[in-house]
Amino acid sequence: NAGVTQTPKFQVLKTGQSMTLQCAQDMNHEYMSWYRQDPGMGLRLIHYSVGAGITDQGEVPNGYNVSRSTTEDFPLRLLSAAPSQTSVYFCASSYLGLGTQYFGPGTRLTVL
Amino acid sequence: QQQVKQSPQSLIVQKGGISIINCAYENTAFDYFPWYQQFPGKGPALLIAIRPDVSEKKEGRFTISFNKSAKQFSLHIMDSQPGDSATYFCAATTQGGSEKLVFGKGTKLTVNP
Repeated sequence: NAGVTQTPKFQVLKTGQSMTLQCAQDMNHEYMSWYRQDPGMGLRLIHYSVGAGITDQGEVPNGYNVSRSTTEDFPLRLLSAAPSQTSVYFCASSYLGLGTQYFGPGTRLTVL
Repeated sequence: QQQVKQSPQSLIVQKGGISIINCAYENTAFDYFPWYQQFPGKGPALLIAIRPDVSEKKEGRFTISFNKSAKQFSLHIMDSQPGDSATYFCAATTQGGSEKLVFGKGTKLTVNP
């Protein structure tokens, strides 16, 4: 089991560029989510999904899009990158209704 | 609006001492309270969790104390070790599982040898 994998590990973008952060899990988890982590702010939920074809917004969804076409994959799209989106992004997954959420290793994104 | 307030922001403890991190919440609909541990450059990992029907849960050197009436819960690390040096996050959710977790801002723990 690879668990939750994220690519890339690091990315530098220029303002206005778009990109997709990839997330995949091999545990057959129904629930997947994206968080951003900023210094002193904890982790804040961006978007989440309870199954293929079902997504919803979290606390800080503006500037991000998601889709879930398969159980395994949950990509996060930045439509037009802004310096305020400089952050570390974590993807996580879990079974619905059960306790343990598994986090990926993170993607460190810098927007210049 | 911060739904889960965590303190202190940072904590320095000597090896063998007790580390205590506190969290408070307002939403009485929260029904699952996990603690996550994060080492530098890694993703958070579940450490221990509690539901509001119990007042304490212990796993090895880690204990969660839960006070439903005060809407507070805390993490106690007994016999703290340098390997415990990490950032700790409390969290809460109304979903019964891990969905839509709301995190505290984190506590950076340093255990000196």
